[in-house]
Amino acid sequence: EVQLVESGGGLVQPGGSLRLSCVGSGFTFAPFWMHWVRQVPGKGLAWVSHINGDGSNTPYADSVKGRFTISRDNAKNTLFLQMNSLQAEDTAVYYCTRDRGRPDSFDLWGQGTVVTVTS
Amino acid sequence: EVVLTQSPGTLSLSPGERATLSCRASQSLGNTYLAWYQQKPGKAPRLLIFGASSRATGIPDRFSGSGSGTDFTLTISGLEPEDSAVYYCQQYDEYGSSHRWTFGQGTKVEIK
Repeated sequence: EVQLVESGGGLVQPGGSLRLSCVGSGFTFAPFWMHWVRQVPGKGLAWVSHINGDGSNTPYADSVKGRFTISRDNAKNTLFLQMNSLQAEDTAVYYCTRDRGRPDSFDLWGQGTVVTVTS
Repeated sequence: EVVLTQSPGTLSLSPGERATLSCRASQSLGNTYLAWYQQKPGKAPRLLIFGASSRATGIPDRFSGSGSGTDFTLTISGLEPEDSAVYYCQQYDEYGSSHRWTFGQGTKVEIK
């Protein structure tokens, strides 16, 4: 089965860190561009970051630039999001997604992992 | 940065009716990579339309997309109860040697 499975979410205090993981299976992971998208509860979707196949291009949304780092391990079919200096505004469901092109739209989504930043 | 504005905010229609959802870009898009997604409560979004008018795998033909430039439309012909969801449009734009992706704020479709 073609799927993405996220993990690593949880409860963290402001200023803290979390590392999200996303494992892809059922497809050849390495060539695909990958993204993280987040959704504040009750709100819309917001693109967070992208990484190309070899990890050489990693743009970020302005809201997370300098605090979040996206990376990938193609040998383990895994995408990561290192989140530092977390703020309450980072509370959201974080989705791992696959880009169907270079770039294009997001044709495969994980189930999401919840990050809650609270004191 | 491209801003996508969706309208209406909420659409309330009966089964069998046609839903017309609009997505307007703040500047003309030099590409046609406008996508539409469907999201049901508690679920991840699902790709419906890519390239402004191409249906993704497994999407019923009652869903269709059209448009170019700054104005795009998602049409759902013959609404089914399971079409009750929030629909988002999405685009990307290039800046420097990279890209960034933008979503509209969503249109909620309610089935009476």
